[in-house]
Amino acid sequence: GQSLEQPSEVTAVEGAIVQINCTYQTSGFYGLSWYQQHDGGAPTFLSYNALDGLEETGRFSSFLSRSDSYGYLLLQELQMKDSASYFCAVRDNTDKLIFGTGTRLQVFP
Amino acid sequence: DTAVSQTPKYLVTQMGNDKSIKCEQNLGHDTMYWYKQDSKKFLKIMFSYNNKELIINETVPNRFSPKSPDKAHLNLHINSLELGDSAVYFCASGDRERADTQYFGPGTRLTVL
Repeated sequence: GQSLEQPSEVTAVEGAIVQINCTYQTSGFYGLSWYQQHDGGAPTFLSYNALDGLEETGRFSSFLSRSDSYGYLLLQELQMKDSASYFCAVRDNTDKLIFGTGTRLQVFP
Repeated sequence: DTAVSQTPKYLVTQMGNDKSIKCEQNLGHDTMYWYKQDSKKFLKIMFSYNNKELIINETVPNRFSPKSPDKAHLNLHINSLELGDSAVYFCASGDRERADTQYFGPGTRLTVL
């Protein structure tokens, strides 16, 4: 079957750095995406990695290791507004986007 | 505004009723999707249309029927609603070649009583 595993919850304080891991097992792989979803809101695209390595977009970075079927989202200089759920997602060989189980990030002052 | 829009935002109905959710995108994308997010926030693809052609049809009950009158619109009709259909339904759009990057509508919270 297809699965993407993430920690269910992560907590941190403002200004800190947090890493959200994602391990995947899917039928085909084109790349790893990350989405953010605030409570009551819609998922919003954050980043995409097709190749191994680190992609940086402002305070957020995303990493991929295809050989390890593993990636992570790194959030730096955490702010209260970063409190949300974060989902990794993989496009499989049928062009479906398979979402992970989601990680709820709580940022405390 | 440039976006993906859905109506209604909230839908409360009785078991056995039939209801529809509408979705429109003005982003110029060629592909639209319906997702279901359950109470545990698990997000699962239901259907996808590319230029009005059904390309993804997951194992969902045939009470769910999508319709795409044109590539900017994708509606979802649900017959004989059941308690288990209660969830948040998201419409999304994107370009098929970049299916990793999708833009989601605000969601429709469906509650079946």
